[in-house]
Amino acid sequence: DVKVTQSSRYLVKRTGEKVFLECVQDMDHENMFWYRQDPGLGLRLIYFSYDVKMKEKGDIPEGYSVSREKKERFSLILESASTNQTSMYLCASSGARGQDYEQYFGPGTRLTVT
Amino acid sequence: AQSVAQPEDQVNVAEGNPLTVKCTYSVSGNPYLFWYVQYPNRGLQFLLKYITGDNLVKGSYGFEAEFNKSQTSFHLKKPSALVSDSALYFCAVRDTSINFGNEKLTFGTGTRLTIIP
Repeated sequence: DVKVTQSSRYLVKRTGEKVFLECVQDMDHENMFWYRQDPGLGLRLIYFSYDVKMKEKGDIPEGYSVSREKKERFSLILESASTNQTSMYLCASSGARGQDYEQYFGPGTRLTVT
Repeated sequence: AQSVAQPEDQVNVAEGNPLTVKCTYSVSGNPYLFWYVQYPNRGLQFLLKYITGDNLVKGSYGFEAEFNKSQTSFHLKKPSALVSDSALYFCAVRDTSINFGNEKLTFGTGTRLTIIP
């Protein structure tokens, strides 16, 4: 089974702190994604990566950056956390083009910024 | 641009009755369509997908969905609802006509399904 793990289930940070969210997948997937989930807004794509060191902006990249130094790991960085970044963050991965089509999700990190 | 609409925020169904969760989509080319389920404080769990072939797709936990190209819909169905089906359901679409970045999925806003005992 595909396993996607996220470094924390719950995180509380202060405004202005730098925050790192880590995601690891164990299926050698090429594509990895970061979403945030907010009530009434569904899932919104922040960034995605289709290869090591490659990244593409999603729909709401402002205030976020990402890093993918190894194929299995995709990090989301909040350079200076703000209260409007309080949300559930979900990481996902999917296989190479022509292989798996569905995305596999981690359990999520609920981030609270105070 | 690809988009998905889930017109109902909340659906209530009596246990044992059939259930339907609605989804419509918009893409430029041919769609790949997905349904996911989310239980409280959990990530999303894949239920089923339509890629090509039969319009009726069967998935996990007795769920099925029907792809209707003329109505651009992909409604999720189950013949007999269980209390354990109560969860948040998301429809998602991927536009196969996009050559770059086409691994992206666009999700709907979700429908909360409550099965009443």
